[in-house]
Amino acid sequence: GAGVSQSPRYKVAKRGQDVALRCDPISGHVSLFWYQQALGQGPEFLTYFQNEAQLDKSGLPSDRFFAERPEGSVSTLKIQRTQQEDSAVYLCASSFGGLVDTQYFGPGTRLTVL
Amino acid sequence: AQSVTQPDIHITVSEGASLELRCNYSYGATPYLFWYVQSPGQGLQLLLKYFSGDTLVQGIKGFEAEFKRSQSSFNLRKPSVHWSDAAEYFCAGREPDGNKLVFGAGTILRVKS
Repeated sequence: GAGVSQSPRYKVAKRGQDVALRCDPISGHVSLFWYQQALGQGPEFLTYFQNEAQLDKSGLPSDRFFAERPEGSVSTLKIQRTQQEDSAVYLCASSFGGLVDTQYFGPGTRLTVL
Repeated sequence: AQSVTQPDIHITVSEGASLELRCNYSYGATPYLFWYVQSPGQGLQLLLKYFSGDTLVQGIKGFEAEFKRSQSSFNLRKPSVHWSDAAEYFCAGREPDGNKLVFGAGTILRVKS
């Protein structure tokens, strides 16, 4: 079946622009996660949804970052007034949501802020 | 705070040789543990996972990992490496009653012929 998809795959933004990154999880997956992967590092947790409820946003680096999942399926990560330090790969993952579930990752969106 | 450490940034092995990638964790309780592989331009692919029970876990592509509580380790092994195994490997942990994964910094595997 279809995996997690993300769009766009690549995004170049000028400093100060707003960007929106989309994630389509695996159908039927309750849980959805966003991670940020800086160059040469492992992914770092940003935020977590269970259905449409954002249950954990402790990893969002600033109030410029905002995520939503209004209908409990597709999610959008929005970054306002982008800065150069926002350049990274943004990964989305989804899972069924049980205690012993596995997160399945999308290919990521590479964001470059000039 | 929970942490996952991968001590080796780069490892080079010859094709056909055995492989061991190290992973150590620091958690209050025994975490769930995972190994993912990431090829250039690709997403993270799950190789194997440990939740409980048998401490030797078999995964895809001929990989296995052994959970050792006494050493707080979850090392990944493969008896004979193929050139196609060249990629970056990430160890990750999760609290049993939590949700978010905590990743190590990754180990880049290079395979020489």
